[in-house]
Amino acid sequence: AQKVTQAQTEISVVEKEDVTLDCVYETRDTTYYLFWYKQPPSGELVFLIRRNSFDEQNEISGRYSWNFQKSTSSFNFTITASQVVDSAVYFCALSASNFGNEKLTFGTGTRLTIIP
Amino acid sequence: DAGVIQSPRHEVTEMGQEVTLRCKPISGHNSLFWYRQTMMRGLELLIYFNNNVPIDDSGMPEDRFSAKMPNASFSTLKIQPSEPRDSAVYFCASSLLEDDQETQYFGPGTRLLVL
Repeated sequence: AQKVTQAQTEISVVEKEDVTLDCVYETRDTTYYLFWYKQPPSGELVFLIRRNSFDEQNEISGRYSWNFQKSTSSFNFTITASQVVDSAVYFCALSASNFGNEKLTFGTGTRLTIIP
Repeated sequence: DAGVIQSPRHEVTEMGQEVTLRCKPISGHNSLFWYRQTMMRGLELLIYFNNNVPIDDSGMPEDRFSAKMPNASFSTLKIQPSEPRDSAVYFCASSLLEDDQETQYFGPGTRLLVL
């Protein structure tokens, strides 16, 4: 069985501060994919990043960065110099890499509020 | 390019009525997923299709729920009869399985309220 844990239910930071959202996962599969999605107040789910289990390189995209560590089964997400537009619920998700079985298991989400 | 399209965006109905949610996946995608999001249960996968064939419907709550995908560009999720506990946001997502990699892209969701 797969499981994704986002222990931080809610986080509030002042604008321009850095913030890290934690994600811990469990899976028995040796090949798997990890994702982050953003759900802004408007309600849609926006894809942010996908990482496969063989690629532990950290990734940076503008103010966003992701740290994948297989040793601790974590895939953490950091926003640098946060902005009010970053306020949203962020979901971490996991899928196995078995052909025909691409189910996503989501964490419970972290609600991030950026205070102006 | 158009993303996943869902209709209606909002639906208010009375208990016992039939509700049909519609989804048009991204052109060329071969997998389609229906999710439900509630405060209590978070995001739950209801059913997914691959090449129009239902692969896993273990998340469908009960017989009142049914889903179809008659062709690659259209899917429906039907609730009959609807109950207040079905109130939720229903998301459709599509993906393209290619080289063992896929990313699910979500539609805007249908917010369903059953009175």
